[in-house]
Amino acid sequence: GAGVSQSPSNKVTEKGKDVELRCDPISGHTALYWYRQRLGQGLEFLIYFQGNSAPDKSGLPSDRFSAERTGESVSTLTIQRTQQEDSAVYLCASSWGVGGYADTQYFGPGTRLTVL
Amino acid sequence: AQSVTQPDIHITVSEGASLELRCNYSYGATPYLFWYVQSPGQGLQLLLKYFSGDTLVQGIKGFEAEFKRSQSSFNLRKPSVHWSDAAEYFCVFMDSNYQLIWGAGTKLIIKP
Repeated sequence: GAGVSQSPSNKVTEKGKDVELRCDPISGHTALYWYRQRLGQGLEFLIYFQGNSAPDKSGLPSDRFSAERTGESVSTLTIQRTQQEDSAVYLCASSWGVGGYADTQYFGPGTRLTVL
Repeated sequence: AQSVTQPDIHITVSEGASLELRCNYSYGATPYLFWYVQSPGQGLQLLLKYFSGDTLVQGIKGFEAEFKRSQSSFNLRKPSVHWSDAAEYFCVFMDSNYQLIWGAGTKLIIKP
């Protein structure tokens, strides 16, 4: 299949360690989004990449969070000095990018992060 | 503040019965609204979206939603649910900065 993939599917780490989460968008999708979903809650927007434009980082909760994207392909979300409140499922989505945020987003299966 | 509310944390319906999931939004202008479904093992999938025009929107899997400006609502409906509809449903609102704001979700449980 040619859907959005994310790795790892599960990550358990100790408080204070850094983690890196990976997202492979659908080929040809210029837009890529990261969200966080805490248990029993909806999605929180983290960051949005669109082509070569500067990313919209307005949703990043602290400077411990950062994300990069290589061209219009793979993206990595890095969380430094993880805290227990970072425990959540991190979802990546991609879209064609022609309609901005109004595009239909296609979601990956998520990475479940547990910080002990 | 701009927000979207799903008042029901979970709903249980019998297979074959009709379904309505409630969604209310708070916004000063005509919003862009979406419904997503999150099924175990299948990730999030867009069911339907409303931008403008006809207030009754048809989606996939037999779902529809109606935008009612006077009630600030965008309720999701299906005339007859199937066991495979058991999932969590999210109402999503696009704010003035074009970011998606997600409701907390409603978990749908289907009784046989």
